[in-house]
Amino acid sequence: AQKVTQAQTEISVVEKEDVTLDCVYETRDTTYYLFWYKQPPSGELVFLIRRNSFDEQNEISGRYSWNFQKSTSSFNFTITASQVVDSAVYFCALSDSTGGSQGNLIFGKGTKLSVKP
Amino acid sequence: DVKVTQSSRYLVKRTGEKVFLECVQDMDHENMFWYRQDPGLGLRLIYFSYDVKMKEKGDIPEGYSVSREKKERFSLILESASTNQTSMYLCASSLEGGIETQYFGPGTRLLVL
Repeated sequence: AQKVTQAQTEISVVEKEDVTLDCVYETRDTTYYLFWYKQPPSGELVFLIRRNSFDEQNEISGRYSWNFQKSTSSFNFTITASQVVDSAVYFCALSDSTGGSQGNLIFGKGTKLSVKP
Repeated sequence: DVKVTQSSRYLVKRTGEKVFLECVQDMDHENMFWYRQDPGLGLRLIYFSYDVKMKEKGDIPEGYSVSREKKERFSLILESASTNQTSMYLCASSLEGGIETQYFGPGTRLLVL
């Protein structure tokens, strides 16, 4: 069965620190997609990234970077030089063929990141 | 630009009332989804729809129904609201086929008294 585990429930850092949010997934499929979403206090989930299982290249977007390692079934998210505006709940999600053609998502329980000035 | 809107940000209802939560997307997406989000439980899928007038149960459909009469609109209905349906409700949409990114609305915080 598919499963996404975000072991860190809450993380608190001081501004300008680097922080890594962990995501471990389980799936039997060889083709699957992984996602990260950000949920600021306003409540809306904001899409950050989608990666497919055949692309293990790390990705960098500004202060954000993602490390995908199939060998450990992990898709970790790092924020470099964190800022107060990064404070949010971050969700990792998995979609594979068992979700049907609609691509249903399995979400982790989220990691609440607090960045203090 | 991607846009999913929900009819209310906050809603207060009484036990036993019929509640309608509306979601509209302007991206011509085929798929639409309703989730509820609760502390410690994360996001759970209630219902989804892959076409007009089509619907499929998600993980927790009990106590809910849905309606999709037009492609852009997906309604979640609580036939008789109960206090355990107090939650944050999130709507999402995505393109058909394959595994496409879901885009979310701002959410509706529902309180059932």
